[in-house]
Amino acid sequence: DAKTTQPNSMESNEEEPVHLPCNHSTISGTDYIHWYRQLPSQGPEYVIHGLTSNVNNRMASLAIAEDRKSSTLILHRATLRDAAVYYCILRDGVDRDDKIIFGKGTRLHILP
Amino acid sequence: DTAVSQTPKYLVTQMGNDKSIKCEQNLGHDTMYWYKQDSKKFLKIMFSYNNKELIINETVPNRFSPKSPDKAHLNLHINSLELGDSAVYFCASSQTPGQGAGEQYFGPGTRLTVT
Repeated sequence: DAKTTQPNSMESNEEEPVHLPCNHSTISGTDYIHWYRQLPSQGPEYVIHGLTSNVNNRMASLAIAEDRKSSTLILHRATLRDAAVYYCILRDGVDRDDKIIFGKGTRLHILP
Repeated sequence: DTAVSQTPKYLVTQMGNDKSIKCEQNLGHDTMYWYKQDSKKFLKIMFSYNNKELIINETVPNRFSPKSPDKAHLNLHINSLELGDSAVYFCASSQTPGQGAGEQYFGPGTRLTVT
């Protein structure tokens, strides 16, 4: 079972910021928070990951709560191409038997 | 250059047949995976191999047999195909797990249809 909770779907207007929430109240000290997305008819695509501090990359930003029980993926300026299912996933940073457990994710709709 | 490639992209076959799906990665990763995405869009891990060694086997029927001839390839062979095997199969690769949990790179998927 997935260890994260996300809204089933969200909508946003094109060219506006999007904040995708994720709850992971049972996160352990060695769990990294990963975000992937899956565009229609494509394989999942890595977006960003972090452990404790907020992270930025060319695709998005990841804001992690101080207690690490929740996080938010931020798309600074959504485009139509960002319409996808976004998955928030916990991955153990030290376990060799590591596997990605995908939940249902959040389906993001972008309105032109 | 495609980082993780799969062949074929589409596979239509009849029940009872045996088929294989091939996967190759050119990223120099040590670990490769197979995932299954069913009609309800749930993605589930099936296997992972690290340096040709089976690491994860997630309660997959024996009809499914992964084969890793080298660390750049992980093929999936399916015997006696059943209707329920119809799905999209994704291959993925990453650096060795347990070393900071780096990202996984996914292939484009193989849509298997069993009739």
